[in-house]
Amino acid sequence: QQQVKQSPQSLIVQKGGISIINCAYENTAFDYFPWYQQFPGKGPALLIAIRPDVSEKKEGRFTISFNKSAKQFSLHIMDSQPGDSATYFCAASNGRSGGGADGLTFGKGTHLIIQP
Amino acid sequence: KAGVTQTPRYLIKTRGQQVTLSCSPISGHRSVSWYQQTPGQGLQFLFEYFSETQRNKGNFPGRFSGRQFSNSRSEMNVSTLELGDSALYLCASSHGQGSGYTFGSGTRLTVV
Repeated sequence: QQQVKQSPQSLIVQKGGISIINCAYENTAFDYFPWYQQFPGKGPALLIAIRPDVSEKKEGRFTISFNKSAKQFSLHIMDSQPGDSATYFCAASNGRSGGGADGLTFGKGTHLIIQP
Repeated sequence: KAGVTQTPRYLIKTRGQQVTLSCSPISGHRSVSWYQQTPGQGLQFLFEYFSETQRNKGNFPGRFSGRQFSNSRSEMNVSTLELGDSALYLCASSHGQGSGYTFGSGTRLTVV
């Protein structure tokens, strides 16, 4: 049972545009929602994370929007640049340190391409 | 500040063999987790260690095991390797107090 559903699987955006990736979760016990960025040959790198007590968090060009009632959260990348081309993963967990009883549950990933 | 270090980076093993992967967390981090990444299943949680104790375990067979040492370094072991164990194995460390996880670059295991 996939507990975190991520869409789209792939996304092409023009340079300067807004990239939007969506995730939906099922487990209402989740209380930590990070986004990771992964380049080929590297491990995932934490981009930004949110907890359910806020509806939005912004760090630079990256914004997480969180809808607790709909059990959905999304990543917005403003002014997308070619260097943002990577695979993005949403994740969710409950409990301590973002690890929780079952670790991080990841979405399947979105392959983002920013065209110059 | 050094990141999470995983060794070796690449490994080729034969079916039926066993393998041990190593992870050195960021200095001061006491929590270490392991994940398996494959194209089909994505990123899946294997287990988490904190202060030498396994706190959580994912849905993997008993062939997958791990341990953590007093200096927080961790190893994972896979016995009786199967072709399906071919994957990128990622280690991640954390303070363990509400902070996020930092991942290493992984060990690419190929089972032939």
